[in-house]
Amino acid sequence: AQSVTQPDIHITVSEGASLELRCNYSYGATPYLFWYVQSPGQGLQLLLKYLSGDTLVQGIKGFEAEFKRSQSSFNLRKPSVHWSDAAEYFCAVALTNTGNQFYFGTGTSLTVIP
Amino acid sequence: DTGVSQNPRHKITKRGQNVTFRCDPISEHNRLYWYRQTLGQGPEFLTYFQNEAQLEKSRLLSDRFSAERPKGSFSTLEIQRTEQGDSAMYLCASKVSGGASYNEQFFGPGTRLTVL
Repeated sequence: AQSVTQPDIHITVSEGASLELRCNYSYGATPYLFWYVQSPGQGLQLLLKYLSGDTLVQGIKGFEAEFKRSQSSFNLRKPSVHWSDAAEYFCAVALTNTGNQFYFGTGTSLTVIP
Repeated sequence: DTGVSQNPRHKITKRGQNVTFRCDPISEHNRLYWYRQTLGQGPEFLTYFQNEAQLEKSRLLSDRFSAERPKGSFSTLEIQRTEQGDSAMYLCASKVSGGASYNEQFFGPGTRLTVL
């Protein structure tokens, strides 16, 4: 079955520490990959996306993600977390052969402690 | 451009009542999507429109749910005879013309429905 897995439901990091959020997908072909962030009361905001080419993609707010085909993973990273990064993070895929709706993971809630 | 807007932001209703939500997409976007997000879950696709045509519906969209986009601009999502299991955040998203799968979907803030 097709799926997007975010194994970490909740992560707590100290401000200034590095961050890695995990995402794995299970599809027959390489999908398009996205990371969105959702703050309370706000809509989902796109952080970055992978379509093709360079497997390390840069996004907004200092985030980056690396696509690893062999591991079917698209992990999100940030070298130094800020208190304002506290939010819910969702990994999403769009299938290349249908191209319409997104499939989302269950999300990872990030808490940043001073 | 004010982004995707949704109204109301919150709706509390009693079981068995009908509710209707509205989504106003970004003006030049011809694709419009509805998702449902329950607590602790990611958004789940419900349906999407290209202009006024509803092109796909998820099996999550029971017969009690209906969506319209009469003039290819705003869209409404109606739930008839609401059930407690309908309690969720309903998200709307829109996408630029062409609708390629890699194009970013822009999300509204959502309508939170509580069914008592």
